[in-house]
Amino acid sequence: GENVEQHPSTLSVQEGDSAVIKCTYSDSASNYFPWYKQELGKRPQLIIDIRSNVGEKKDQRIAVTLNKTAKHFSLHITETQPEDSAVYFCAASRGSGSEKLVFGKGTKLTVNP
Amino acid sequence: SAVISQKPSRDICQRGTSLTIQCQVDSQVTMMFWYRQQPGQSLTLIATANQGSEATYESGFVIDKFPISRPNLTFSTLTVSNMSPEDSSIYLCSVGASSEKLFFGSGTQLSVL
Repeated sequence: GENVEQHPSTLSVQEGDSAVIKCTYSDSASNYFPWYKQELGKRPQLIIDIRSNVGEKKDQRIAVTLNKTAKHFSLHITETQPEDSAVYFCAASRGSGSEKLVFGKGTKLTVNP
Repeated sequence: SAVISQKPSRDICQRGTSLTIQCQVDSQVTMMFWYRQQPGQSLTLIATANQGSEATYESGFVIDKFPISRPNLTFSTLTVSNMSPEDSSIYLCSVGASSEKLFFGSGTQLSVL
């Protein structure tokens, strides 16, 4: 089955710097790659996603890139702010998209003011 | 996105007892899932709740321990049976929207003494 590796497990940046979180997946049939943000004590929130027919997607300060050949995808956050501090999870799935998402282990991002 | 209500939000239970968690969605959804998030860990899929038929369980999860009901397209329950301290986790209901994105309920934080 699918296996998703996520790095780093913790990341600390200064406010205004960029943050990059990387994930690799094992199943070449995976075609949907969402990212979730989970603040302490809250539910995971979908922040951006990408499908395998797209190489990059941006939404304001957040972007995701996908390299199908290498089977890895990354989350980029620019101009980080303290409210970006949270745990970020990448995930991958095959089929229709939302079914059977396999999650990475998460990255705890701390943005220091 | 769908509004997903989950209850109880938290509970403290004695070992050997059972707890039923309810998930209510404000619109009909095709896909409903139950995830477990152990303390400080990632999200693990327990099962897919199928409307009108038995749930589909992932490896490591069995119906006797986690019976699931889904009587219609807006409601599902997950029961954690014969609980032990190892069952202490956050249990999350999630739904797949028509856009193929996955959204989570607010979660149930379960502590087993």
